[in-house]
Amino acid sequence: SQTIHQWPATLVQPVGSPLSLECTVEGTSNPNLYWYRQAAGRGLQLLFYSVGIGQISSEVPQNLSASRPQDRQFILSSKKLLLSDSGFYLCAWRGRLQGNEQYFGPGTRLTVT
Amino acid sequence: AQSVTQLGSHVSVSEGALVLLRCNYSSSVPPYLFWYVQYPNQGLQLLLKYTSAATLVKGINGFEAEFKKSETSFHLTKPSAHMSDAAEYFCAVTLLFSGGYNKLIFGAGTRLAVHP
Repeated sequence: SQTIHQWPATLVQPVGSPLSLECTVEGTSNPNLYWYRQAAGRGLQLLFYSVGIGQISSEVPQNLSASRPQDRQFILSSKKLLLSDSGFYLCAWRGRLQGNEQYFGPGTRLTVT
Repeated sequence: AQSVTQLGSHVSVSEGALVLLRCNYSSSVPPYLFWYVQYPNQGLQLLLKYTSAATLVKGINGFEAEFKKSETSFHLTKPSAHMSDAAEYFCAVTLLFSGGYNKLIFGAGTRLAVHP
């Protein structure tokens, strides 16, 4: 069966510090991968998606970036965090040979102080 | 363009009462529709999905949803609420692309409270 992991689970970082959030998927190959953010009162916002290694598409211009160095690894990064980057970050995957549903990881709670 | 509207950002029911969470969609093509549930500080869990095989879809935890094309609706119901159903619920429609990937368009969510 497939599983998705995210770490860290929680993170408190000062403004201006770098960020690296990691997501890995097990039990599937060549998945579509997604990063979402949930900010208080703003619903789910798609940040990035990837259809393959090194292939990243950005949905929203911002100071965040994403990378996919391996087939089942998706990383969200920032060089300098802003207060507005605070939120709950969710990684999701979709199998190429499965339906159109996405499966979500447990999330990372980021607080920028 | 596809979109999803969830009527009611907060719904409160008594334990044992009917749960009805409303979702209306807009889609120019036959849609794939989903309901997800999110418990506090957790990721989203797929409750059920509509893929045109049947208009009444049964999901986990006793939930079901009915696809009504004429009403462009996909409301989520459960006959008898349980305290453990308290969570936030999201309706979503999918956007399909020729590159073999999709995007989910989410509604704003409905927070369900269950009172004893």
